[in-house]
Amino acid sequence: AQSVTQLGSHVSVSEGALVLLRCNYSSSVPPYLFWYVQYPNQGLQLLLKYTSAATLVKGINGFEAEFKKSETSFHLTKPSAHMSDAAEYFCAVSGSGTSYGKLTFGQGTILTVHP
Amino acid sequence: DTAVSQTPKYLVTQMGNDKSIKCEQNLGHDTMYWYKQDSKKFLKIMFSYNNKELIINETVPNRFSPKSPDKAHLNLHINSLELGDSAVYFCASSQGANYGYTFGSGTRLTVV
Repeated sequence: AQSVTQLGSHVSVSEGALVLLRCNYSSSVPPYLFWYVQYPNQGLQLLLKYTSAATLVKGINGFEAEFKKSETSFHLTKPSAHMSDAAEYFCAVSGSGTSYGKLTFGQGTILTVHP
Repeated sequence: DTAVSQTPKYLVTQMGNDKSIKCEQNLGHDTMYWYKQDSKKFLKIMFSYNNKELIINETVPNRFSPKSPDKAHLNLHINSLELGDSAVYFCASSQGANYGYTFGSGTRLTVV
């Protein structure tokens, strides 16, 4: 079984400030981890993914995430927030075995960016 | 070209009706999925098909029936719609979950 917990359902930052969205996972097998972004009334877009290669993963729009096995975490960061980053962000985990083929999503974090 | 396309985008219908949502992908992926996003934005898998074969069938009322005529299409038929079925339904495709999904733009179903 696998699960994802996103700490903080809402995060608010000022434009230009650091963005940090937290994700912790639980998986009985080596995980594949993903961050998705959802803009209002749109589908989910893949930001980045960890697939057991480099632990620091760079994605689109200046986002990156670091896989820390000891902390079972995959936090998403961006050095400088932009107004266009305001959206909802979802962390997801994929495993193998009976869970193969299924992504399990966290409950989402709404990012608000203030001018 | 849209990679994963769903129709309709919006669907408003009365309780008790039967409705279908269509999904098509042009990415050549072998696996397609239906997810339900509830009013709190929680995403839960409903079904998954790989090369037209059902491989994931979560605990979903049997009023929901997926159909995959070929690996590029996965449709969702819902019988006897209930108020609780109101949600956004997302179709997605992938080469395998470990590669991540490509999502459609969603179908917002409102049952009145």
